[in-house]
Amino acid sequence: QVQLVESGGGLVKPGGSLRLSCTASGFTFSDHYISWIRQAPGKGLEWIAYISNGGTTIYYADSVRDRFTISRDNAKNSLYLQMNRLRAEDTAVYYCARESVFDSGGFYFYYFDSWGQGTLVTVSS
Amino acid sequence: IQLTQSPSSLSAFVGDTVTVTCRSSQDISIYLNWYQKKPGKAPKLLIYAASSLHSGVPSRFSGSGSGTEFTLTISSLQPEDFATYYCLQSFSTLFTFGPGTRLDI
Repeated sequence: QVQLVESGGGLVKPGGSLRLSCTASGFTFSDHYISWIRQAPGKGLEWIAYISNGGTTIYYADSVRDRFTISRDNAKNSLYLQMNRLRAEDTAVYYCARESVFDSGGFYFYYFDSWGQGTLVTVSS
Repeated sequence: IQLTQSPSSLSAFVGDTVTVTCRSSQDISIYLNWYQKKPGKAPKLLIYAASSLHSGVPSRFSGSGSGTEFTLTISSLQPEDFATYYCLQSFSTLFTFGPGTRLDI
């Protein structure tokens, strides 16, 4: 079955760095765009980054642009998020999510249909 | 693209029918998905393309709307439906979620 497993979370000091990983199984990883989405404690969901199936197209939310880098290794069925210059407000559970598409007569509708269980990142001194 | 949801929270009984509204700051056609989120669990896709029911999701969940106003309706509420519900727009590649609607028993 489709499975996404995040790892790499932990406690880091403000200004520090952390690298998250997401390992996929049960589907053809290289066929899918993947995103990172986070949820801060007591807050809502926030999409933060997306990478195309071949890794050539990448987008970031304003809140993380220039600090975070998304990448993938299709040979290893893995997605990564390099997080630099971390701030207290980056404290959250980070999820990777698979993007799938519904083709309705040439109109393409995208949605996140499979998610990992999340990994907690805590930024605190 | 900004999304708002109303109400921000609501209380209901098992067996009730409830409706959650999501409004977009611009026309997003039907590029709107709905998710259910429970504490400590990954979000679960309910509805995509505004009204298409995701595989395995009970038929008591339904979605409607287009343009700037969308609704998620849950009929005959079950105990497992008490959760927080989020809309998500996929019209822009800079995806955005609504702030969520908490549904309490």
